[in-house]
Amino acid sequence: AQSVAQPEDQVNVAEGNPLTVKCTYSVSGNPYLFWYVQYPNRGLQFLLKYITGDNLVKGSYGFEAEFNKSQTSFHLKKPSALVSDSALYFCAVRHPSGTYKYIFGTGTRLKVLA
Amino acid sequence: GAVVSQHPSRVICKSGTSVKIECRSLDFQATTMFWYRQFPKQSLMLMATSNEGSKATYEQGVEKDKFLINHASLTLSTLTVTSAHPEDSSFYICSASNRGLNTEAFFGQGTRLTVV
Repeated sequence: AQSVAQPEDQVNVAEGNPLTVKCTYSVSGNPYLFWYVQYPNRGLQFLLKYITGDNLVKGSYGFEAEFNKSQTSFHLKKPSALVSDSALYFCAVRHPSGTYKYIFGTGTRLKVLA
Repeated sequence: GAVVSQHPSRVICKSGTSVKIECRSLDFQATTMFWYRQFPKQSLMLMATSNEGSKATYEQGVEKDKFLINHASLTLSTLTVTSAHPEDSSFYICSASNRGLNTEAFFGQGTRLTVV
């Protein structure tokens, strides 16, 4: 079965430190990979995506993600965390020959401590 | 950028009544919209795919008679929770896509439904 895993329910990081939110996937072929962020009682906001090309993709708010095909991972990173980055982060996958449906990970709550 | 607007953001209703939630694509036409349900501290559960001009496609375990979806135009999909019960209380989110599979979907702001 196809799936997306976010192994950490919560990640705590001190403000100013680098952060990583992990995502691995089990999807056949070469899927499209996305990261979204959700603030309390809000919908999801798009951060970045990997379609093809350079393995390091840059997105909104200083976030970036590294695609690793051999490890089937797409970890979200930021060099210097801000308290305002505290939110719920979702990794999502679409299959190129599929539909518009996403397969979502379970979400990782990021807490940046001042 | 493209915007999806969802209304209302919060609603409280009595058990047994029906509630309608609207999802509008404001600056693009969306032939397909999705409805999700999110439980506290959990991921999004896809409820159904809303198809303009045709019947919605429901995910397994979702009662189509309880969660009525109508996609009458290219910019509006509605989700009606019929005969609401307290266990229907949840956060409901819609999303829309209008371009290729390699483009991101746009999500509404979500609706917090509380059934009392």
